[in-house]
Amino acid sequence: GQQLNQSPQSMFIQEGEDVSMNCTSSSIFNTWLWYKQDPGEGPVLLIALYKAGELTSNGRLTAQFGITRKDSFLNISASIPSDVGIYFCAGRDNNDMRFGAGTRLTVKP
Amino acid sequence: DSGVTQTPKHLITATGQRVTLRCSPRSGDLSVYWYQQSLDQGLQFLIQYYNGEERAKGNILERFSAQQFPDLHSELNLSSLELGDSALYFCASSPRDIPYNEQFFGPGTRLTVL
Repeated sequence: GQQLNQSPQSMFIQEGEDVSMNCTSSSIFNTWLWYKQDPGEGPVLLIALYKAGELTSNGRLTAQFGITRKDSFLNISASIPSDVGIYFCAGRDNNDMRFGAGTRLTVKP
Repeated sequence: DSGVTQTPKHLITATGQRVTLRCSPRSGDLSVYWYQQSLDQGLQFLIQYYNGEERAKGNILERFSAQQFPDLHSELNLSSLELGDSALYFCASSPRDIPYNEQFFGPGTRLTVL
């Protein structure tokens, strides 16, 4: 099964709304990563977080590395139809990388 | 287009068979990573090679093996295939050994085991 707890599993929102999703783990990670995957394609890195407490933005996306190093969240502001896809969190320690199960985002125009 | 190429795009085979998946990294990238994505297990890291040598190992079965060649392309060999091996297999590449962050994923190979 999955090694990171990612929620929610799916979201149906109206265009223009803000979105929030998060990942939690029982393990500490050195790095948290957020990816987006479109159908039929490989994941694309959105944001990488390197330090506990770090808050990083990439356009309308904002992500934070939790202070405990066991969680992270991703916010998308003012969603648009092309935000549709599956968003994955990933936690990295020195020798391994684990992924959440993904949040499937649907944006209604 | 990430610059990472994978072949074949689709592969259908039978249980007990052996297949080889191929990955060509982005020009100049020395690290190659292999991942398996299935419906019930999600995305799982299998193995990483850096400049021809194994660098890190994740949840890779003993029936699976990989290698990276001098020209930096990589192959993932899956043997004694089982129905549960049906999945998308992704290759990713990055310029450096660590961190893993700057990975660029290929389009994947969809393996169906009948």
